[in-house]
Amino acid sequence: AQTVTQSQPEMSVQEAETVTLSCTYDTSESDYYLFWYKQPPSRQMILVIRQEAYKQQNATENRFSVNFQKAAKSFSLKISDSQLGDAAMYFCAYRSALDGANSKLTFGKGITLSVRP
Amino acid sequence: GAVVSQHPSWVICKSGTSVKIECRSLDFQATTMFWYRQFPKQSLMLMATSNEGSKATYEQGVEKDKFLINHASLTLSTLTVTSAHPEDSSFYICSARQGGVQPQHFGDGTRLSIL
Repeated sequence: AQTVTQSQPEMSVQEAETVTLSCTYDTSESDYYLFWYKQPPSRQMILVIRQEAYKQQNATENRFSVNFQKAAKSFSLKISDSQLGDAAMYFCAYRSALDGANSKLTFGKGITLSVRP
Repeated sequence: GAVVSQHPSWVICKSGTSVKIECRSLDFQATTMFWYRQFPKQSLMLMATSNEGSKATYEQGVEKDKFLINHASLTLSTLTVTSAHPEDSSFYICSARQGGVQPQHFGDGTRLSIL
């Protein structure tokens, strides 16, 4: 079974600074997807970024980028120019590409990010 | 972008009653829907996976007679918490996906409080 580990329960960043959220995972599969989701106080789950394992290039979405290290099974999220609206709980998630329609997301425990003004 | 509508957003009811939560995909056909439960400051716990027209697959430890899931169409799935008790109070989130490679879209969740 796959596991996703987010070892830091909380982090804090100064507004306009850069922060990196860590995530590691364990799998024996070679084809899979990795995700970062944001859950603000409203509790809505928002997809931040997605990475296909077969792609060597790291995904980027505006101020959000990932450092995907497939051999090390590491998938960290970098938030640049942090804004007050970035304060939320962030979840790293894994999904197999092999299970078809029933493939499930495996979530990490999440990290609470606070942004200091 | 794809939208998943979940209703109601908040419900308070007496112990012993049954509560139905609806999850609708508004602009795509959801071949697979997922139901999660989340406690404060914790991760999402998958309860069950459902495919349109077939029985839901429940995760280990989830009581299928307690949490009834119906995925009657490609745009609607319902979760019914039967004979709800205070320990069933939680935040329930649905999610829907079209096909195996498409992104998974989440509803806004339902806060269930059982008195």
